[in-house]
Amino acid sequence: AQSVTQLGSHVSVSEGALVLLRCNYSSSVPPYLFWYVQYPNQGLQLLLKYTTGATLVKGINGFEAEFKKSETSFHLTKPSAHMSDAAEYFCAVTSQNTGNQFYFGTGTSLTVIP
Amino acid sequence: GAVVSQHPSRVICKSGTSVKIECRSLDFQATTMFWYRQFPKQSLMLMATSNEGSKATYEQGVEKDKFLINHASLTLSTLTVTSAHPEDSSFYICSARDVAGYTDTQYFGPGTRLTVL
Repeated sequence: AQSVTQLGSHVSVSEGALVLLRCNYSSSVPPYLFWYVQYPNQGLQLLLKYTTGATLVKGINGFEAEFKKSETSFHLTKPSAHMSDAAEYFCAVTSQNTGNQFYFGTGTSLTVIP
Repeated sequence: GAVVSQHPSRVICKSGTSVKIECRSLDFQATTMFWYRQFPKQSLMLMATSNEGSKATYEQGVEKDKFLINHASLTLSTLTVTSAHPEDSSFYICSARDVAGYTDTQYFGPGTRLTVL
């Protein structure tokens, strides 16, 4: 079975401050991990993904995430928040053994304070 | 990157009518597509897995006779909400699985906002 836990349904940061969105996963098989961003009334946009190889993955818009197997975590970070980063962020886990069914976290709403 | 489209983006219908939502993979072939629904301020919940040329696999609690899925080609899957009721109002999102290349991932459509009056 697979699942994702996103700690903190709401996160507020000041513009220019570090963004840290937490994601912990549970998986009995090697996970594939994803971060998606969703703007109001829009679909999901892929930020970044980890499948195999380098554990630090870089995505679009300056975001990056590090896969830490020992901590079962895949936290999303960005060094300096921009107003346009305000959105809903979803972490998701899947694997080849699940036929690529995705399991989503409950989402974290990011607010950027000017 | 890979593109998935959905049509319509927004639909308003009367209670009791049926609504069809299309999901297309524009630049790749998708043997598998997924349908999700998302209630306000909540996460995506998988409704069903659509496989080209075969019957869809529905998640527990999803009525297959109410949410008809047809995956007639490698680039098109449709979701028909039959006899829609206000409680079916939601944001429906599809995704398509791209297995080409080194990685196997899903690309999501922009979503369809269904409002049933």
